[in-house]
Amino acid sequence: GQNIDQPTEMTATEGAIVQINCTYQTSGFNGLFWYQQHAGEAPTFLSYNVLDGLEEKGRFSSFLSRSKGYSYLLLKELQMKDSASYLCAVMDSNYQLIWGAGTKLIIKP
Amino acid sequence: NAGVTQTPKFRVLKTGQSMTLLCAQDMNHEYMYWYRQDPGMGLRLIHYSVGEGTTAKGEVPDGYNVSRLKKQNFLLGLESAAPSQTSVYFCASSTESGRASDEQFFGPGTRLTVL
Repeated sequence: GQNIDQPTEMTATEGAIVQINCTYQTSGFNGLFWYQQHAGEAPTFLSYNVLDGLEEKGRFSSFLSRSKGYSYLLLKELQMKDSASYLCAVMDSNYQLIWGAGTKLIIKP
Repeated sequence: NAGVTQTPKFRVLKTGQSMTLLCAQDMNHEYMYWYRQDPGMGLRLIHYSVGEGTTAKGEVPDGYNVSRLKKQNFLLGLESAAPSQTSVYFCASSTESGRASDEQFFGPGTRLTVL
């Protein structure tokens, strides 16, 4: 079966750095997405990785290792507005997104 | 541009009632999707469409029907609602450019409770 695993909840301090991990087992791989979802709102796109390595976009970076079935989202200089759920999703061989349950990130002052 | 809009935002149904959720997008996107989101679970694909007049089943299609009569609209129907269909429903759309990297744009969601 297809499976996406990520921690349920993480807590970090304002101004710090946090890494949210995602491991996956899917039928085929056509890229990995990270989305941000604030409580009660729609998911919004953060990043896409299809090749191994690190993609940096401002305070957010995303890493992929296809051989290990592993990705992480790195958030630097955390701000209170970063409190949200972060969803990992893999596009499988049928070009459909398989979604993880999300990681709720709590930022403390 | 309004992006992706959903109607209604909230709804309470009794078991056995029917309803239709409307999704509209003004980005001229070919692909449209209906997901449900339940606590502790990832988004699950109900049905999707790759263009006007086409629909296809996703991961959890039972109990739902869809129609895509116009490119900008994607309707999700519940013929006989059940408590197990209590969920938050999201519509999404994306371009059809042949790139797997195309992001999906989501509507604000419909919160449905079936009593």
